[in-house]
Amino acid sequence: QQPVQSPQAVILREGEDAVINCSSSKALYSVHWYRQKHGEAPVFLMILLKGGEQKGHDKISASFNEKKQQSSLYLTASQLSYSGTYFCGTEKVSGAGSYQLTFGKGTKLSVIP
Amino acid sequence: EAQVTQNPRYLITVTGKKLTVTCSQNMNHEYMSWYRQDPGLGLRQIYYSMNVEVTDKGDVPEGYKVSRKEKRNFPLILESPSPNQTSLYFCASSLGPRGYGYTFGSGTRLTVV
Repeated sequence: QQPVQSPQAVILREGEDAVINCSSSKALYSVHWYRQKHGEAPVFLMILLKGGEQKGHDKISASFNEKKQQSSLYLTASQLSYSGTYFCGTEKVSGAGSYQLTFGKGTKLSVIP
Repeated sequence: EAQVTQNPRYLITVTGKKLTVTCSQNMNHEYMSWYRQDPGLGLRQIYYSMNVEVTDKGDVPEGYKVSRKEKRNFPLILESPSPNQTSLYFCASSLGPRGYGYTFGSGTRLTVV
């Protein structure tokens, strides 16, 4: 079952902040975040593990609420290079498919000057 | 350079003509996987492999086959392609079956006419 991402799309001006949310109905072992630019492959940004801490990379960070099975990706002071489609991927704690990474449908982020 | 190599990048074929998309990684990763990407649907997993000779179905395995005879290679086989298999395909690999980021290949755009 795919995680649900919101919003589906967002337009930002350079320097503005954005939050992308990802939620699942299953107990999660981990949440991944990837960015895909047009015509390219998805690129791994970060992974948040059950019981782990909030992660960050430059001005992009993420959190994982295990109790709510939700994760959020925070992009601060956005740059033109942040444009692309962001996907969350989830791994379940147990049961069928627990060795699969299931992706959401993506959030298209456009940063304009 | 650490990478996942897919071939071909583009392929147009006719209905029913068997084809193979190759995938090779040079990172000694145990886990490999195939995804298809369709507009509005995100990335959906076709098959995955946790190690040599260990493969399992993902969420959309119908019409596809895989094999894992060597650790580095994970080909995707379409024995009788149909137009509904027209899609963008990605191979990905990771260090282990859970808790590790995925490295994606550049993608194969397949058109079945």
